[in-house]
Amino acid sequence: KAGVTQTPRYLIKTRGQQVTLSCSPISGHRSVSWYQQTPGQGLQFLFEYFSETQRNKGNFPGRFSGRQFSNSRSEMNVSTLELGDSALYLCASSLSTVNYGYTFGSGTRLTVV
Amino acid sequence: GEDVEQSLFLSVREGDSSVINCTYTDSSSTYLYWYKQEPGAGLQLLTYIFSNMDMKQDQRLTVLLNKKDKHLSLRIADTQTGDSAIYFCAEISNTGKLIFGQGTTLQVKP
Repeated sequence: KAGVTQTPRYLIKTRGQQVTLSCSPISGHRSVSWYQQTPGQGLQFLFEYFSETQRNKGNFPGRFSGRQFSNSRSEMNVSTLELGDSALYLCASSLSTVNYGYTFGSGTRLTVV
Repeated sequence: GEDVEQSLFLSVREGDSSVINCTYTDSSSTYLYWYKQEPGAGLQLLTYIFSNMDMKQDQRLTVLLNKKDKHLSLRIADTQTGDSAIYFCAEISNTGKLIFGQGTTLQVKP
């Protein structure tokens, strides 16, 4: 059974650019969440999608957005990149939310220069 | 509010037991989780415990939950060098998002 797949693994972007990260959940999982991990702030929740609907959103500026497709694959987009957006972005999928542990992907390491 | 706290560092000798502690604030959390992160990798779910349980054992891992004190611990028996990693405690909020602690770096000395 394939795990959660995130692409690309590494990305280098310049300030002001935009970036799109992709996440393919485990087959059958309909909930996809995104987290940002930085040394200073730790793991912070970005948003969660379930059946193409955003159900939860964390405290991030509007430059951070996401979407989920009918096959449960999800993308997140960051516009007008800032140096502080450099982080490991982790995607997690689950059958539902509360009752199951989330399975995480290996993440996308974004570096903004 | 929602907050999870862990000590930042633990060093043990190979073969000893490791105990990683965590406190949380949201008493309505239904599940509490332990994740492991190795360098350059994502988070691996180690185990979880339902809030109406006191203890859960899974091979070398034992989770203890004191709901009154909102204290969670993870005991790793016979700790090996391959257990060296960062361990995250997490609670699930009533909105379904995971709230993570800062992570405990476990160093296992041979």
